[in-house]
Amino acid sequence: TQLLEQSPQFLSIQEGENLTVYCNSSSVFSSLQWYRQEPGEGPVLLVTVVTGGEVKKLKRLTFQFGDARKDSSLHITAAQPGDTGLYLCAGEKGGSYIPTFGRGTSLIVHP
Amino acid sequence: KAGVTQTPRYLIKTRGQQVTLSCSPISGHRSVSWYQQTPGQGLQFLFEYFSETQRNKGNFPGRFSGRQFSNSRSEMNVSTLELGDSALYLCASTRSQGAGELFFGEGSRLTVL
Repeated sequence: TQLLEQSPQFLSIQEGENLTVYCNSSSVFSSLQWYRQEPGEGPVLLVTVVTGGEVKKLKRLTFQFGDARKDSSLHITAAQPGDTGLYLCAGEKGGSYIPTFGRGTSLIVHP
Repeated sequence: KAGVTQTPRYLIKTRGQQVTLSCSPISGHRSVSWYQQTPGQGLQFLFEYFSETQRNKGNFPGRFSGRQFSNSRSEMNVSTLELGDSALYLCASTRSQGAGELFFGEGSRLTVL
């Protein structure tokens, strides 16, 4: 059983479209991170959210942490080919040194 | 500031052999963790070291082992390789004692034939 469920698993869109990916769990997390991984590379941290209801913006990317700190979403506005990659969410429970990763959403943005 | 460095980047082994992978964390980071990434299972936690001590271990067989040196560099070893060990092995370091925000290396791509 995957502790963090990400959806959709795959997403193929045209440049300029908007999209949202989701990260859901039945567990409460003290913090949640989003990473982007490009082929042949390691994941790169995009953002950390820690407060229920928190919204963070990173240029065209908007991240939201659910009020109950069990879920999160990533919204991309006007997607560009450079946004192509595997988006991973990772949740950390208080007192645990080990973040749990979702299986990721593979995004392809076509020019 | 140099990032996390993993060596080798690519390697090919045959079943039954053993392999050692190396990871140099970001300067000042004392926690190093290892992950196995496969298309079917995603990122699976292997183990985590802090100040040369293994603090946590994932659900992998004893063939997978690791260690951390006094300079925070870490190695992981896989003995008696199996075909299913083919994967991208990622090392990550963090500045905090908790998991915090992970900084990953580019990974070591292991292929077992």
